[in-house]
Amino acid sequence: EDQVTQSPEALRLQEGESSSLNCSYTVSGLRGLFWYRQDPGKGPEFLFTLYSAGEEKEKERLKATLTKKESFLHITAPKPEDSATYLCAVLGLNTGNQFYFGTGTSLTVIP
Amino acid sequence: DAMVIQNPRYQVTQFGKPVTLSCSQTLNHNVMYWYQQKSSQAPKLLFHYYDKDFNNEADTPDNFQSRRPNTSFCFLDIRSPGLGDAAMYLCATSRVIGGGTYNEQFFGPGTRLTVL
Repeated sequence: EDQVTQSPEALRLQEGESSSLNCSYTVSGLRGLFWYRQDPGKGPEFLFTLYSAGEEKEKERLKATLTKKESFLHITAPKPEDSATYLCAVLGLNTGNQFYFGTGTSLTVIP
Repeated sequence: DAMVIQNPRYQVTQFGKPVTLSCSQTLNHNVMYWYQQKSSQAPKLLFHYYDKDFNNEADTPDNFQSRRPNTSFCFLDIRSPGLGDAAMYLCATSRVIGGGTYNEQFFGPGTRLTVL
């Protein structure tokens, strides 16, 4: 069964304290893995797409990496404005047009 | 700017009173999705359209219906809202690039539904 699991559920960091969020997936034939940021009361905002193992994408303090079983979202020297819920979604060969979402990691960065 | 627009942003309805939520897009994407998201939960797919082809998730209650009159617009109808239907409703679009490859989903800001 296709599945996406994110960990940890919640993460509190001091400003400047780097860390990583994990997204583990089981899907038949990955067609894409997507990272989103969601602020309270808003729709998810697209961050990155990764298509194949070994791929990396970077944007400001965020870097996403992908292996055959999981993806990491590395946050370097986070700032309070990075506080949000980070969602991971996958699209597989057998999922049709459906993106499978994880339950997200709620990140709080304390000044 | 190309975008996904949802109206209204906040909707209050009474138990059992039908409600319609709307979504429009200027991205010209061929796939449109409706998600239900409750607090601290992942978005739950209700249904999606690939062009005019409607795809209903097996566990989507019959109380929920959808219409897509054209490429730009999609509607979510809740025929008899219950207290358990109070949630954020998200509309999203994506585009098939080719060879089964999709670009990412673009989400609207959501409609927060309250059922009294």
